[in-house]
Amino acid sequence: GENVEQHPSTLSVQEGDSAVIKCTYSDSASNYFPWYKQELGKGPQLIIDIRSNVGEKKDQRIAVTLNKTAKHFSLHITETQPEDSAVYFCAAVLRNQGGKLIFGQGTELSVKP
Amino acid sequence: DVKVTQSSRYLVKRTGEKVFLECVQDMDHENMFWYRQDPGLGLRLIYFSYDVKMKEKGDIPEGYSVSREKKERFSLILESASTNQTSMYLCASRSGTDGEKLFFGSGTQLSVL
Repeated sequence: GENVEQHPSTLSVQEGDSAVIKCTYSDSASNYFPWYKQELGKGPQLIIDIRSNVGEKKDQRIAVTLNKTAKHFSLHITETQPEDSAVYFCAAVLRNQGGKLIFGQGTELSVKP
Repeated sequence: DVKVTQSSRYLVKRTGEKVFLECVQDMDHENMFWYRQDPGLGLRLIYFSYDVKMKEKGDIPEGYSVSREKKERFSLILESASTNQTSMYLCASRSGTDGEKLFFGSGTQLSVL
């Protein structure tokens, strides 16, 4: 079936460094790829998304890139800060299944001051 | 801002009990979802609903049922709770017209003893 693979499962960086999280999806019909951030004790919140007709999107320190041919997409966080510490989930929307979202396994990012 | 409210933050039940998890959203969203979150497995879809009285099975519906009698409320029911249903349960909603962004509740941590 359709799935989304996310790596790494844990990531530890020094404050100010960059962090990269990578995802691979299987369904070539997917055309929308959101990223969610889950802080401790809270539900996931959308932080950035990208559609298949765009290769890259940036919002301040966060950027997402998409390689549709290889079915890869990545989240890039620059100049990391302690408040970036959270669990991050990538997802792919299955257009031919009513917009169902398939989530990756999650990445626990820790930013050390 | 959209608010998705889950009735309990923590819940402890005994094996064999019938358990109700309630979710209410205040933005007149058509679509509502129930996920469970387990370490290393990401978010897995249990059931979803496109509109009132409509329901669709997700990826792991076994042992669960749902009810959507009113648009704003989506209930998850564990008919006979088992220890392997100990998990974090997340409810989410989404506009059915043009929206793809999911809005999540804060989650219910259910422990079945």
